[in-house]
Amino acid sequence: EAGVVQSPRYKIIEKKQPVAFWCNPISGHNTLYWYLQNLGQGPELLIRYENEEAVDDSQLPKDRFSAERLKGVDSTLKIQPAELGDSAVYLCASSLGGRSTDTQYFGPGTRLTVL
Amino acid sequence: AQSVTQLGSHVSVSEGALVLLRCNYSSSVPPYLFWYVQYPNQGLQLLLKYTSAATLVKGINGFEAEFKKSETSFHLTKPSAHMSDAAEYFCAVSDLADAGGTSYGKLTFGQGTILTVHP
Repeated sequence: EAGVVQSPRYKIIEKKQPVAFWCNPISGHNTLYWYLQNLGQGPELLIRYENEEAVDDSQLPKDRFSAERLKGVDSTLKIQPAELGDSAVYLCASSLGGRSTDTQYFGPGTRLTVL
Repeated sequence: AQSVTQLGSHVSVSEGALVLLRCNYSSSVPPYLFWYVQYPNQGLQLLLKYTSAATLVKGINGFEAEFKKSETSFHLTKPSAHMSDAAEYFCAVSDLADAGGTSYGKLTFGQGTILTVHP
């Protein structure tokens, strides 16, 4: 069974440019998460989807970040415009449901470098 | 709010030695606790989880962790380290978060501990 797929794996852009990350969760997983992982730190939740609905986007900086999960499967996270401080790894995860005991399965992440 | 503290950002052991990675949690209710491992340039992989059943939890790759409520701890151990265990390890706590009236499990991660294994 394929795991969580993310692309691209690496992205280098100049500040003020837009960038987008794509995630394909494990088949059948209704819940999808986007996390931000800064160097030397643990992941922090940005947004969580139940099917196509964003049920928690309280940590998403909405002035420059946006996300969508059309049809409740694939998801895209966008930053426009990117800032130097956005350099980090962006992780996508999925789980069957959203219960506290449900295991979250993580993709390999997209490492973003903003110059 | 729930939180976890991982004591020691770097731990170094010799191959064959005991591995002990420390995690303490803060929670107002019995928590669910997780240990994840992250190899270089890879995503996080679940090692084990505590969900209020047995307090001693066995995971993959020979790791285990014991939930101790009196000490608010969930330390990760492995009797004999292998070179392939070198990675970064994250402890996480899950609680019921309420977002717009929808409750769900929200993971809060510790800062991570980098494990180095010497030959």
